[in-house]
Amino acid sequence: DAGITQSPRYKITETGRQVTLMCHQTWSHSYMFWYRQDLGHGLRLIYYSAAADITDKGEVPDGYVVSRSKTENFPLTLESATRSQTSVYFCASSEGRGTAGADTQYFGPGTRLTVL
Amino acid sequence: TQLLEQSPQFLSIQEGENLTVYCNSSSVFSSLQWYRQEPGEGPVLLVTVVTGGEVKKLKRLTFQFGDARKDSSLHITAAQPGDTGLYLCAGLNYGGSQGNLIFGKGTKLSVKP
Repeated sequence: DAGITQSPRYKITETGRQVTLMCHQTWSHSYMFWYRQDLGHGLRLIYYSAAADITDKGEVPDGYVVSRSKTENFPLTLESATRSQTSVYFCASSEGRGTAGADTQYFGPGTRLTVL
Repeated sequence: TQLLEQSPQFLSIQEGENLTVYCNSSSVFSSLQWYRQEPGEGPVLLVTVVTGGEVKKLKRLTFQFGDARKDSSLHITAAQPGDTGLYLCAGLNYGGSQGNLIFGKGTKLSVKP
């Protein structure tokens, strides 16, 4: 299917386990982003990528690892999950034109992660 | 750290009423965006404003970018239940990359029939 997809949609894991959240987009967008959304904090950027093999930290990168070996995929790994990482995670992509301010970011449906 | 303050945080109104939500900052932005998010889904872009003083209309929604490019407002005329959702503003720094988009915490709107 065309668009941006995330998997899994729901995940329950235990403290200390490694978890990988997947994100796939079919538009060949240059930029991809990972956000977490928590009550009282809004959307906070974890990591972003301007192109394959280029990644940068966002506001809250600690405890997360990303990679982007292919343009269309941008997995997010929690190396050793903690309860504070319980959240809803959104992946997004954008073309990266930026000719007049911010590009449109296209968001996936989110992954609800619970760390017990 | 740049912040975007949205107000009100919550708004519950009856169908047919008008409302305005605000997005304010002490920082200047090159552009401001408004997104709407429905429960269980990701945010969807409504509009991008890039010129100070700019006004854009999207059916019953009117968006304004402040003259000083530090604030924005969203006005909804004759609200309908379908307008229910979380409204997020997002600002981009001057010279910032697309990774420097800052989101406000959102205004949760409920429109009752």
